[in-house]
Amino acid sequence: DGGITQSPKYLFRKEGQNVTLSCEQNLNHDAMYWYRQDPGQGLRLIYYSQIVNDFQKGDIAEGYSVSREKKESFPLTVTSAQKNPTAFYLCASSIGGGSSQPQHFGDGTRLSIL
Amino acid sequence: GQQLNQSPQSMFIQEGEDVSMNCTSSSIFNTWLWYKQDPGEGPVLLIALYKAGELTSNGRLTAQFGITRKDSFLNISASIPSDVGIYFCAGRENSGYALNFGKGTSLLVTP
Repeated sequence: DGGITQSPKYLFRKEGQNVTLSCEQNLNHDAMYWYRQDPGQGLRLIYYSQIVNDFQKGDIAEGYSVSREKKESFPLTVTSAQKNPTAFYLCASSIGGGSSQPQHFGDGTRLSIL
Repeated sequence: GQQLNQSPQSMFIQEGEDVSMNCTSSSIFNTWLWYKQDPGEGPVLLIALYKAGELTSNGRLTAQFGITRKDSFLNISASIPSDVGIYFCAGRENSGYALNFGKGTSLLVTP
């Protein structure tokens, strides 16, 4: 089945530790996105990538990093510089970047601090 | 990006009732999307709108792209318990790339 796979479903981070969230899609979509969701809030854009080997900062990129070495993969690293990392992280993809094509989401990774 | 103004924040209704929610932006959009999110899962696309005045249905759901291009509406008719969840609006500006999201409407349906 085509879709977006995020892993792990739950992740725990120790203070001062970097962690990487995985996002893989087999939809052949060019564009991929990372969002952060806090309770009672809408989704806020962390980073997005319109094409392989290119990515742009979103509204809340500080403390996060990404890479886009392959079309199907867009991992997100939550660094120790992110002081409030506890949140639900959602990865999305769309056919093209900057187009009117809707974004489709994975099932998310919930990150908590130990 | 801007945070869209979505209302109501929550609704508690009985099965069989109709539901309406809306979303407004401070700028003109060329795309409006409505998503539903179940607890612990990612949002699922319900309806996509691309033209001012457009009215689109998906089963018991109907959404409209406002003629001012600054608002959108979602209606759910004859609600059932499985309609429970959080409904998000999202939109994209003409010159924008990313989606802007509302804070969501939490819907509870009692049998």
